Amino acid sequence: DQQVKQNSPSLSVQEGRISILNCDYTNSMFDYFLWYKKYPAEGPTFLISISSIKDKNEDGRFTVFLNKSAKHLSLHIVPSQPGDSAVYFCAASALSGGGADGLTFGKGTHLIIQP
Amino acid sequence: KAGVTQTPRYLIKTRGQQVTLSCSPISGHRSVSWYQQTPGQGLQFLFEYFSETQRNKGNFPGRFSGRQFSNSRSEMNVSTLELGDSALYLCASSRGAQGRYGYTFGSGTRLTVV
Repeated sequence: DQQVKQNSPSLSVQEGRISILNCDYTNSMFDYFLWYKKYPAEGPTFLISISSIKDKNEDGRFTVFLNKSAKHLSLHIVPSQPGDSAVYFCAASALSGGGADGLTFGKGTHLIIQP
Repeated sequence: KAGVTQTPRYLIKTRGQQVTLSCSPISGHRSVSWYQQTPGQGLQFLFEYFSETQRNKGNFPGRFSGRQFSNSRSEMNVSTLELGDSALYLCASSRGAQGRYGYTFGSGTRLTVV
């Protein structure tokens, strides 16, 4: 039973355009969401997070949107750059419940930025 | 500042053996979590240690155990290795418990069980 789903295994976007990565979750106890980026042979790198009390969080080229009623979040990257090519993981945690299950990760979306 | 350091980077073990993996967190980080990454299951939470105490544990058998030392360094042990334990094991550190300030991951230890 996948509690965090990233339904697109891969996404190809032209350099300079917007990349939109999507993530859905089923556990209503999740109240803290994170995006990680991973290059081959490296560990995931934290990108941006959002608490369930917000519906948007921005950090430079990265913006995360949270729609609690739809249990959906998305990561927008504008403009997309070649160095953004990586696997992106969505993760969720139930912090108010003590975070007993750590982070629950989606299976990732491989973003490919084309020149 | 130095990142999260995991040793060794690669390991090959035989079924039935046991293995110990090591993780040194970022200086000042008191929380260390362990994750298993496999192609089929993705990243799965193993356990989290904070101030030498195991705070949380994922859904893994008792063959998987860990500990944290007073300097926040952590070790993970897997006993009676099975072929299905072949995976990338990732350690993550955080300033606070439950990753409230975000986790920083190491590059992982690639374990192959033959």
